[in-house]
Amino acid sequence: DAGVIQSPRHEVTEMGQEVTLRCKPISGHNSLFWYRQTMMRGLELLIYFNNNVPIDDSGMPEDRFSAKMPNASFSTLKIQPSEPRDSAVYFCASSQNQGYEQYFGPGTRLTVT
Amino acid sequence: ELKVEQNPLFLSMQEGKNYTIYCNYSTTSDRLYWYRQDPGKSLESLFVLLSNGAVKQEGRLMASLDTKARLSTLHITAAVHDLSATYFCAVGQGAQKLVFGQGTRLTINP
Repeated sequence: DAGVIQSPRHEVTEMGQEVTLRCKPISGHNSLFWYRQTMMRGLELLIYFNNNVPIDDSGMPEDRFSAKMPNASFSTLKIQPSEPRDSAVYFCASSQNQGYEQYFGPGTRLTVT
Repeated sequence: ELKVEQNPLFLSMQEGKNYTIYCNYSTTSDRLYWYRQDPGKSLESLFVLLSNGAVKQEGRLMASLDTKARLSTLHITAAVHDLSATYFCAVGQGAQKLVFGQGTRLTINP
């Protein structure tokens, strides 16, 4: 299996621009998680989906952030408009439904100038 | 609210020595995970601990879980340079959420 796939791996954008991060979970996994990692705040769960349905979005920082999962093999995390404080590494992870182990993708390093 | 604390946050040790990383958590949970992260890389799953008294070992690393004390340990035996990385514990909350500790940055010097 190819593992969790994320794109792009690096993104540099200017403040105010829209940013879309993409994730393809491991085939057969029913749960998908979006995390953000920064030096100051560590690893934070933003939102997770189960069977394509958002279950908990309490970690989404504000309305500028939105996430979708239109099908079992694809999810997006969108930031609009982006701000410098959004600069971080964003990880996507997946797990089997009701399974316990989460497998992480390589991450997207976002820099907002 | 579940809080997960790791101790120490930074650890510099010599090759060949033994040491332990501690992970304390604030509320009851039935599962705990250890992950490794190399600089600029993703998180790699090391251990999954699902019951009180669970002990798992892989090479020079051994993890244990005491759910009554809400404590997990990651023990390193005869450290080697290749084990230099940041180690995270994560505690299960609800059906699927994980709450991560701050991470312990481990540096092993020759």
